[in-house]
Amino acid sequence: SQQGEEDPQALSIQEGENATMNCSYKTSINNLQWYRQNSGRGLVHLILIRSNEREKHSGRLRVTLDTSKKSSSLLITASRAADTASYFCATDAGNQFYFGTGTSLTVIP
Amino acid sequence: SAVISQKPSRDICQRGTSLTIQCQVDSQVTMMFWYRQQPGQSLTLIATANQGSEATYESGFVIDKFPISRPNLTFSTLTVSNMSPEDSSIYLCSVPLRASTDTQYFGPGTRLTVL
Repeated sequence: SQQGEEDPQALSIQEGENATMNCSYKTSINNLQWYRQNSGRGLVHLILIRSNEREKHSGRLRVTLDTSKKSSSLLITASRAADTASYFCATDAGNQFYFGTGTSLTVIP
Repeated sequence: SAVISQKPSRDICQRGTSLTIQCQVDSQVTMMFWYRQQPGQSLTLIATANQGSEATYESGFVIDKFPISRPNLTFSTLTVSNMSPEDSSIYLCSVPLRASTDTQYFGPGTRLTVL
């Protein structure tokens, strides 16, 4: 298994601030995805970045990928209380997905 | 997008019993995945269920404990057998968005508590 690792494990910020989460993985990948999970709910796909891409934007989300360092970061700008959730990165190494340990984000109103 | 439903949404079971979780997708998909999320942990892939063939299990998971059925391209079941409190988890099925498996859609999950 090439389960990724994320840091920090927990992050608490004030509404309006930016939140950055990092993900590291172990082997070559086809793409990397970020998911959000609200408490007690299923996973929601946020954004996918392919191995030949370095940066991708979607609304307030910005994802970077450094395949040489086998790492990715998720930046949420101008955070809102509704962004409070756990965030997971998932790596696609060919037909299967491996999830990181997740970052628990709390946005304080 | 795919719409995925799971039954039951939650259950409380006694030690030693078995529970079958159903996953229904509104479109035909070749591959379906079953995940487990233990309390405070990330998702762990249990097995991949392909229609017409035996499920492929990940390390640490065996068919006797987690038998899977995949009778058609829109439906799958996962059975958690001879349960113990350690099996208390959220169980999720997921399907690829497209044949390229670029991304996955997840069901709402089944929250299982074993007493």
